[in-house]
Amino acid sequence: QVQLQQWGAGLLRPSETLSLTCAVYGGSFSDYYWSWIRQPPGKGLEWIGEINHSGSTNYNPSLKSRVTISIDASKNQFSLELSSVAAADAAVYFCAGGLPAAIGTYYYYYMDVWGKGTTVTVSS
Amino acid sequence: SSELTQDPAVSVALGQTVRITCQGDSLRSYYASWYQQKPGQAPVLVIYGKNNRPSGISDRFSGSSSGNTASLTITGAQAEDEADYYCNSRDSSGNHVVFGGGTKLTVL
Repeated sequence: QVQLQQWGAGLLRPSETLSLTCAVYGGSFSDYYWSWIRQPPGKGLEWIGEINHSGSTNYNPSLKSRVTISIDASKNQFSLELSSVAAADAAVYFCAGGLPAAIGTYYYYYMDVWGKGTTVTVSS
Repeated sequence: SSELTQDPAVSVALGQTVRITCQGDSLRSYYASWYQQKPGQAPVLVIYGKNNRPSGISDRFSGSSSGNTASLTITGAQAEDEADYYCNSRDSSGNHVVFGGGTKLTVL
């Protein structure tokens, strides 16, 4: 049973860099794609980006210029940095693990493990 | 904007059946996954693949797919099913993850 524990600063000033880390316990670290997802107050889920165990990354094009996701496989941890935060970046940030699979010509991708979320506030 | 489209809100009478839909081009090659989110909690996976339920998820939940549309069906909806539901897949390129905008389910 994989479990995620996430932590990081919850209060930032505009223009600062958001930094969060997620630790993975149990299961196979190398099987998963590790993602960061955020949810502004009262709004839906927004995927920020992902990294695999070898360090290959994919980012949401709308955030790509400000996002860095990194991995420390020796500690089973992955991290998010979002630079130059503004009020629009205030949200609950979740880490999650996703698994790709295929059936015949169909693919599927599912996130079966989630962190509890970190509330990030941006205020001067 | 999301590449997966969901109705913002749906309601169902207690004990009745409700279908929540998700549309998008990527669903022609990806099965959608579905997540339930209650206030103040992280999303929980309820359906993945062709029609698979994780351990511990009620068999009231089922999934189906046709063309560019995926559906989550709740048969005999209960009060505890009231929540936000999100669909998810990878985009058509396979390089990005996408979520639908979410559907708020109200059980009357």
